[in-house]
Amino acid sequence: EDQVTQSPEALRLQEGESSSLNCSYTVSGLRGLFWYRQDPGKGPEFLFTLYSAGEEKEKERLKATLTKKESFLHITAPKPEDSATYLCAVHSGGQLTFGSGTQLTVLP
Amino acid sequence: DTEVTQTPKHLVMGMTNKKSLKCEQHMGHRAMYWYKQKAKKPPELMFVYSYEKLSINESVPSRFSPECPNSSLLNLHLHALQPEDSALYLCASSQEGAAYEQYFGPGTRLTVT
Repeated sequence: EDQVTQSPEALRLQEGESSSLNCSYTVSGLRGLFWYRQDPGKGPEFLFTLYSAGEEKEKERLKATLTKKESFLHITAPKPEDSATYLCAVHSGGQLTFGSGTQLTVLP
Repeated sequence: DTEVTQTPKHLVMGMTNKKSLKCEQHMGHRAMYWYKQKAKKPPELMFVYSYEKLSINESVPSRFSPECPNSSLLNLHLHALQPEDSALYLCASSQEGAAYEQYFGPGTRLTVT
């Protein structure tokens, strides 16, 4: 059975304090790993797709990386507007399996 | 344009009511999805339409009934719901199957009284 585990569950950072979120996965044949950002009461917003180990994608203060067993979402010099829940999902067997998310709070 | 629209934004219904949620996308995507999301939990897949063919999550109760009138529209018909069905219902679409990134709508906040 496919499993996706995100850590930490919650993370509080000071503005400008860089950190990383982790997504570890166990799937039979990874066909894509996806990162989403979700604000309270809203739909998830697509951030990145990673398909193979060693792949990296960047967007503003965010950088996603992928290994054979996990993915990291690095946040450089975060701002309060980066506060949200970050969801990781893997595609295997025709559907997405989501992790439980990391709730990020960036304090001014 | 990566917009998926959903109506209504909020819905309150009694357990004997019949209502429908609507979703629309104009990105030419051939796969559309319904998800249910409870507070502090990740989205749970309910239904998938790929090339207008339905795939069902076997655990979804029959009081939820999807309909795909065409490749741009997706409805979710609700009947005889229970209070535990109260949740955020999300629609998403992707270029083809789940190997492609899914774009989510803003959701419908459903409350069953």
